[in-house]
Amino acid sequence: LAKTTQPISMDSYEGQEVNITCSHNNIATNDYITWYQQFPSQGPRFIIQGYKTKVTNEVASLFIPADRKSSTLSLPRVSLSDTAVYYCLRDSSASKIIFGSGTRLSIRP
Amino acid sequence: GAVVSQHPSWVICKSGTSVKIECRSLDFQATTMFWYRQFPKQSLMLMATSNEGSKATYEQGVEKDKFLINHASLTLSTLTVTSAHPEDSSFYICSARVSGFGNQPQHFGDGTRLSIL
Repeated sequence: LAKTTQPISMDSYEGQEVNITCSHNNIATNDYITWYQQFPSQGPRFIIQGYKTKVTNEVASLFIPADRKSSTLSLPRVSLSDTAVYYCLRDSSASKIIFGSGTRLSIRP
Repeated sequence: GAVVSQHPSWVICKSGTSVKIECRSLDFQATTMFWYRQFPKQSLMLMATSNEGSKATYEQGVEKDKFLINHASLTLSTLTVTSAHPEDSSFYICSARVSGFGNQPQHFGDGTRLSIL
């Protein structure tokens, strides 16, 4: 199964930069790395997607090294509203995606 | 863009009732939609892949006669939980992928909370 490995939980404080790492040792050539954010009682929300190197959008950055066996989601200057579960997924248009356990991020004042 | 809408967002019904959940892609066409189930404090579990104009593909352990999926158009998939029982109570979420070139991420609906009494 195309699962990834992430820390179960992380804690940080408002205003800090948060980096969540994800391991995907068996990533396939066609796989992209996609990150989602989920709040309680809501569906996952797309954050960012990348194939390799660095991708940045208005909410996050995604770093993927050359071997693509891991990736890091970077959230700059987090706020309380960033408290959520974050999922790292291997994603190819040709296949279904399987969710791992995700990382439960808690932001404190 | 790429909005997926689910309806209803919340339903409570008696045991033995059948419940239909709709999943619509509002501003794009989706040849494939996915249905997930999520229990409290757990991750999303893929139930089935819904294919427009053909039969759904169910994951191992998911009863196809219990969870009926119909994908009659490029913008609508429905999941019917037949003869629902309390153990079917869960959070059901659908997703759809924009059809096109390149890798398009899945976009998720806001889920349906199903409570069977």
